[in-house]
Amino acid sequence: AQTVTQSQPEMSVQEAETVTLSCTYDTSESDYYLFWYKQPPSRQMILVIRQEAYKQQNATENRFSVNFQKAAKSFSLKISDSQLGDAAMYFCAYRGTSGTYKYIFGTGTRLKVLA
Amino acid sequence: EAGVTQFPSHSVIEKGQTVTLRCDPISGHDNLYWYRRVMGKEIKFLLHFVKESKQDESGMPNNRFLAERTGGTYSTLKVQPAELEDSGVYFCASSQDFYEQYFGPGTRLTVT
Repeated sequence: AQTVTQSQPEMSVQEAETVTLSCTYDTSESDYYLFWYKQPPSRQMILVIRQEAYKQQNATENRFSVNFQKAAKSFSLKISDSQLGDAAMYFCAYRGTSGTYKYIFGTGTRLKVLA
Repeated sequence: EAGVTQFPSHSVIEKGQTVTLRCDPISGHDNLYWYRRVMGKEIKFLLHFVKESKQDESGMPNNRFLAERTGGTYSTLKVQPAELEDSGVYFCASSQDFYEQYFGPGTRLTVT
């Protein structure tokens, strides 16, 4: 069975600095998708970034980028120029390419942004 | 376009009572998922609907949980009778294809 591990329950970053959130996963599948979702306090989860496993190039969305290491099964999220609005719970998720396409989530990392 | 909505946002009930959670997916989304997060733990899959049919209910904890999706539109998740370990945040998500799921704000269920 697939698993996702986020080893950092909480992280802090100074405004305008860069922070990296870690995520590792385990799977025997060769093709899959990885996601980072952000959940601000009392608000719904929104997709931050998505990575297809067959793509070697790391995904980037503005200030958000990933470091996808397929062999190491690692999928970290880097947030550059951190802003107060980045404060949220961040969830790493895995989705296979067969079956129901359900997500498998990690336990989440709470990111605090310090002014 | 309206997002996924869930009702209620918070529910506090006593052990043994019944609670029904509702999810309204994004219009036109055939796929609807229920997930649950118990405090401090990962978000876990409960079940998946395609239109009104249950495609996968492998994550449902036990037969105290009953999910329905009327006419392929909104979905309800009933817990009867509720137990203390049912406390958590219940998320609903919908998707048009299998590419990305859109999540609702969740229902926080507290069983006392």
